[in-house]
Amino acid sequence: GAVVSQHPSWVICKSGTSVKIECRSLDFQATTMFWYRQFPKQSLMLMATSNEGSKATYEQGVEKDKFLINHASLTLSTLTVTSAHPEDSSFYICSVHIGTGPGSPLHFGNGTRLTVT
Amino acid sequence: GQQLNQSPQSMFIQEGEDVSMNCTSSSIFNTWLWYKQDPGEGPVLLIALYKAGELTSNGRLTAQFGITRKDSFLNISASIPSDVGIYFCAGLSPGTYKYIFGTGTRLKVLA
Repeated sequence: GAVVSQHPSWVICKSGTSVKIECRSLDFQATTMFWYRQFPKQSLMLMATSNEGSKATYEQGVEKDKFLINHASLTLSTLTVTSAHPEDSSFYICSVHIGTGPGSPLHFGNGTRLTVT
Repeated sequence: GQQLNQSPQSMFIQEGEDVSMNCTSSSIFNTWLWYKQDPGEGPVLLIALYKAGELTSNGRLTAQFGITRKDSFLNISASIPSDVGIYFCAGLSPGTYKYIFGTGTRLKVLA
């Protein structure tokens, strides 16, 4: 069964507005969650690592003030795209490690399709 | 960001044929993962590999961790229409916790 739940599955918003995406781990606690972005016909690019109770770690080139990440509990991380613009339209996917150790596999949510008009 | 080279980029095959794809890197990895992604959905884990030379099967799928630790292979035997999708490899470098993803292989199966 699913181990990661993501909501919403799709959202359309107007340019300049903010959108929040939720990622929940089901039946287990996740101190770390990962946010990826995927443009059409491209691979998954890691945006940031969400750390429970502390600041997120952002990858080079990802604006932390634009992509706000909050990991307030052991089962929930949120990604807020602030002042969204059409170029932010993409597929956003969260993931968590299943198992102990950094080598444990990643399991992904079903993704959120964001369209900014 | 860094990506792994995945080959082929895309392939059209007849139902029943076997499929091979690979992933290569210039640096070594400790773990290799293979995923399948259907349109509009998140990737689903197929196989995880943890040791150089390891060969692991999952039904009709077989994956191998290259002996040099710089590559991995995925084979699908007797393909069926539901094998259609994009297959991604992902590698984990020593001393890190972040997986790097391949460029993807888009598979289409002709019935």
